[in-house]
Amino acid sequence: KQEVTQIPAALSVPEGENLVLNCSFTDSAIYNLQWFRQDPGKGLTSLLLIQSSQREQTSGRLNASLDKSSGRSTLYIAASQPGDSATYLCAVRLAGGSYIPTFGRGTSLIVHP
Amino acid sequence: EPEVTQTPSHQVTQMGQEVILRCVPISNHLYFYWYRQILGQKVEFLVSFYNNEISEKSEIFDDQFSVERPDGSNFTLKIRSTKLEDSAMYFCAFRWGGGGIPGANVLTFGAGSRLTVL
Repeated sequence: KQEVTQIPAALSVPEGENLVLNCSFTDSAIYNLQWFRQDPGKGLTSLLLIQSSQREQTSGRLNASLDKSSGRSTLYIAASQPGDSATYLCAVRLAGGSYIPTFGRGTSLIVHP
Repeated sequence: EPEVTQTPSHQVTQMGQEVILRCVPISNHLYFYWYRQILGQKVEFLVSFYNNEISEKSEIFDDQFSVERPDGSNFTLKIRSTKLEDSAMYFCAFRWGGGGIPGANVLTFGAGSRLTVL
């Protein structure tokens, strides 16, 4: 069974810092990995999706990398802003068997002015 | 804003009552999912739906739950005889799933329905 772990669980930083959020998974035979943002009491907004054949994806100030062999993905947020405050979730979908994405618990980020 | 509409946004019900949560999908998406998130917990998979049939379900999705497409477009999750521990946010999600198209595997979520069981 795929286990997805996100570290740190919570992070509080001043505005302007560059951040790295980590996602690790136990089964490296993945199909893809997707990063989401969740604001308090709200739904999930897709940020980036990386296919298993890709090493990274970029969108604006966000960059997600994937290292399947070590079972890791990182989400890099450049020049953080207070509006980036949210919980960041990663979801991993296996290549065989169940096609259902498994979620980590998330990293709760606060960026203070 | 999500392209997936969920209703109601919040429902309060008494223990033992039946609840129906609704989701209006993106029209050309093939794969539908229901997830739930208990406050402070992980997003957990409940059931997936493809071609008008359940394709996978988790151990959470027991006989208390059912999923339907009553009119071929809307997508419902029914919870019979609700329990206190059913209090959670319930999310529907969709994936287009067509091969070779950018974004086909992106999972798109609705804003969720908050269920409070008293």
